[in-house]
Amino acid sequence: KAGVTQTPRYLIKTRGQQVTLSCSPISGHRSVSWYQQTPGQGLQFLFEYFSETQRNKGNFPGRFSGRQFSNSRSEMNVSTLELGDSALYLCASSPPQVYEQYFGPGTRLTVT
Amino acid sequence: DQQVKQNSPSLSVQEGRISILNCDYTNSMFDYFLWYKKYPAEGPTFLISISSIKDKNEDGRFTVFLNKSAKHLSLHIVPSQPGDSAVYFCAASQTYSGAGSYQLTFGKGTKLSVIP
Repeated sequence: KAGVTQTPRYLIKTRGQQVTLSCSPISGHRSVSWYQQTPGQGLQFLFEYFSETQRNKGNFPGRFSGRQFSNSRSEMNVSTLELGDSALYLCASSPPQVYEQYFGPGTRLTVT
Repeated sequence: DQQVKQNSPSLSVQEGRISILNCDYTNSMFDYFLWYKKYPAEGPTFLISISSIKDKNEDGRFTVFLNKSAKHLSLHIVPSQPGDSAVYFCAASQTYSGAGSYQLTFGKGTKLSVIP
């Protein structure tokens, strides 16, 4: 099976802009989670989607949002970008009722 | 408030010897624990996991031990190989009842260097 894919791999944006990141889960996986990785905070949970519904949300401001489509593909959006949003954004998918999550390669976002 | 802690940012081990990576947690609601390995410019790769009802799980060269009373788990790699050099993340999960959602809480990682 193909793994989790994320596009784009690298992105440079300016403060105040918005950005959309895309994730395609492993075939058959209906749960998609998003994480932010920064050197200071490590990997932090953003939100999780299952069957087009957000099931769980981490402690991030409302500028961070996401959605999931009927084919389980997911997007996350960050509006009004801040310098502190520079990070590696990781998407992970998992089959139903399974704890293990399988990660994509991430999107490296740099905000200048 | 860091619920999962990896107190050693780095560890160096000779090839062929045992690598022991440690992890402590504070949330007693965690019921499943996982280890991930991460190479630069790649996403974390799932390595091994353990349920809170067990105290040991083994998979080839990798063994995870769980001490619930101490809220401590460790990953043993025997024998260590140069290809094991990576950042290792400990993660913990709890079930959000009714939602069926499993959220992973990660430690900040330990960089393992295996010296040939």
